[in-house]
Amino acid sequence: SQELEQSPQSLIVQEGKNLTINCTSSKTLYGLYWYKQKYGEGLIFLMMLQKGGEEKSHEKITAKLDEKKQQSSLHITASQPSHAGIYLCGAAKTYNTDKLIFGTGTRLQVFP
Amino acid sequence: DARVTQTPRHKVTEMGQEVTMRCQPILGHNTVFWYRQTMMQGLELLAYFRNRAPLDDSGMPKDRFSAEMPDATLATLKIQPSEPRDSAVYFCASGFDRSYEQYFGPGTRLTVT
Repeated sequence: SQELEQSPQSLIVQEGKNLTINCTSSKTLYGLYWYKQKYGEGLIFLMMLQKGGEEKSHEKITAKLDEKKQQSSLHITASQPSHAGIYLCGAAKTYNTDKLIFGTGTRLQVFP
Repeated sequence: DARVTQTPRHKVTEMGQEVTMRCQPILGHNTVFWYRQTMMQGLELLAYFRNRAPLDDSGMPKDRFSAEMPDATLATLKIQPSEPRDSAVYFCASGFDRSYEQYFGPGTRLTVT
């Protein structure tokens, strides 16, 4: 079965630093989703990537999907305390489905 | 500000008791998902509905879990009887058709002692 692995599992950075979170699949991804979760809250949708080589940005967060559609990265530029939380990648299990599986999550802490 | 609401937010119960969790999807959304999140397993899809009809419940233990949508504004997830291993945070999410954006509720934190 398809699994999503995220790295690193946790990350502690100083405010202002850049960081990257990776999400890797053993199989081709049919849609890759990035969500953010704050402690005690639900997930907030960030971005969705579908095409190989696709890149999207929202404010200081950029997500990319590689050409083979098996790896995605989430890059935060000039991190802020508001970026702290758990980042999860999710992927459609098959083509044209809304059933998602999720990665193990990356816990990000940003200190002043 | 449209949001998915879930009740209760926290539930502590004893093993063997029935637990019912409720979800109100965003008005107009026709797809509802139930997820469970634990430290060990991460976030797992339990079941989901479209237009109130169950599309997939393969992730749900059938012997004790049941999910329903009595109407378009209410989804329920029931556990009977509950067991300590059911302790987790249960999330409901809603969306429209196959839109890729799922809107998550705040979750119900369940503790079974």
